[in-house]
Amino acid sequence: DQQVKQNSPSLSVQEGRISILNCDYTNSMFDYFLWYKKYPAEGPTFLISISSIKDKNEDGRFTVFLNKSAKHLSLHIVPSQPGDSAVYFCAAGHSGANNLFFGTGTRLTVIP
Amino acid sequence: DAGVIQSPRHEVTEMGQEVTLRCKPISGHDYLFWYRQTMMRGLELLIYFNNNVPIDDSGMPEDRFSAKMPNASFSTLKIQPSEPRDSAVYFCASGGLSYEQYFGPGTRLTVT
Repeated sequence: DQQVKQNSPSLSVQEGRISILNCDYTNSMFDYFLWYKKYPAEGPTFLISISSIKDKNEDGRFTVFLNKSAKHLSLHIVPSQPGDSAVYFCAAGHSGANNLFFGTGTRLTVIP
Repeated sequence: DAGVIQSPRHEVTEMGQEVTLRCKPISGHDYLFWYRQTMMRGLELLIYFNNNVPIDDSGMPEDRFSAKMPNASFSTLKIQPSEPRDSAVYFCASGGLSYEQYFGPGTRLTVT
């Protein structure tokens, strides 16, 4: 049973525009959330995180928004660049345990 | 630091053979995680260790899978006997006090 869901397997965006990747979760115990980026033939790399005490966290071109009532988070990339083309995984966990639950990923393609 | 090291990077074996995947975590990290990536289920946590002790192995598919961590710098994931449905990319990740996990490059396993 997937506790973290990414319902869009793929997304294409023009260079310079905004990319919005979405993630839903079912477990109300989750209190921290992370986004990972994965290039082909490489392991996922950490991108940005947010704890449940916040509703927004920004790092350069990347912003993560958390809506706890809807159990939904999103990653915004502005402006999108061709180098952002990768698979993005959403992950969630809860305090007291260091294991993470991952979604199935969304493949982002930024078109030059 | 070289990051998380996994070997081999690719493994092709015949059904029924034993397969051993190896992982060297980042020095100083207390947590080690084994994941399997498939198209259908994304990144699945198989097992994780804290200070070399297995904490949660509920994700291990069946008795054919076993994992060990004899010391802080080495872990193995063994499949015996292997089956075609075990074909996937297997990732090892390590982490410290924060919730971030650092992934290795993965081992692509093909069982024919």
